[in-house]
Amino acid sequence: TQLLEQSPQFLSIQEGENLTVYCNSSSVFSSLQWYRQEPGEGPVLLVTVVTGGEVKKLKRLTFQFGDARKDSSLHITAAQPGDTGLYLCAGASEYGNKLVFGAGTILRVKS
Amino acid sequence: DVKVTQSSRYLVKRTGEKVFLECVQDMDHENMFWYRQDPGLGLRLIYFSYDVKMKEKGDIPEGYSVSREKKERFSLILESASTNQTSMYLCASSFLGGATGTQYFGPGTRLLVL
Repeated sequence: TQLLEQSPQFLSIQEGENLTVYCNSSSVFSSLQWYRQEPGEGPVLLVTVVTGGEVKKLKRLTFQFGDARKDSSLHITAAQPGDTGLYLCAGASEYGNKLVFGAGTILRVKS
Repeated sequence: DVKVTQSSRYLVKRTGEKVFLECVQDMDHENMFWYRQDPGLGLRLIYFSYDVKMKEKGDIPEGYSVSREKKERFSLILESASTNQTSMYLCASSFLGGATGTQYFGPGTRLLVL
């Protein structure tokens, strides 16, 4: 069974601070997705990374896929209260047709 | 915009009841999924379907069944609800095959089994 471990589980920071969320596995994934979920809503896709070493930027969010395609990170620069939410990573196995989700990181940005 | 709707936002049922959760998507997606979301466990796949009348077990199918009679509708059935099925249930759909396509989620159904 493939597993994705996310850390930290909870993060409470002040507006303007930087943060990094990690997603790690011992398994190789063909691609990795990051979702954000707000209270009372379903997750919404932020980005998909496919190539080992790939870096994608979405405004103040930077996503990186590890060279070996076993891990990923999400870095937020100058966090805003609107970034508050649950961040989920999800890996697509090389041979399967489903996603494996991490447990999520709850981010709270205080103004 | 893709829209995935779920029949109820909140449900309260008694142990032993048969429970139906309905999901409808309006983007003609082939693939549909049912997950449950529990704190500290993330999303776990219950069942998925890649075509009408087709279904495949996910990671935790025990105690659940599904039905897909029409392309836009995917139903999750709890044959005899139990307290350990209290959870948030999320439906999703995607266009591309496999796990590489974007999954579009509904708002979720929070089910409480007493």
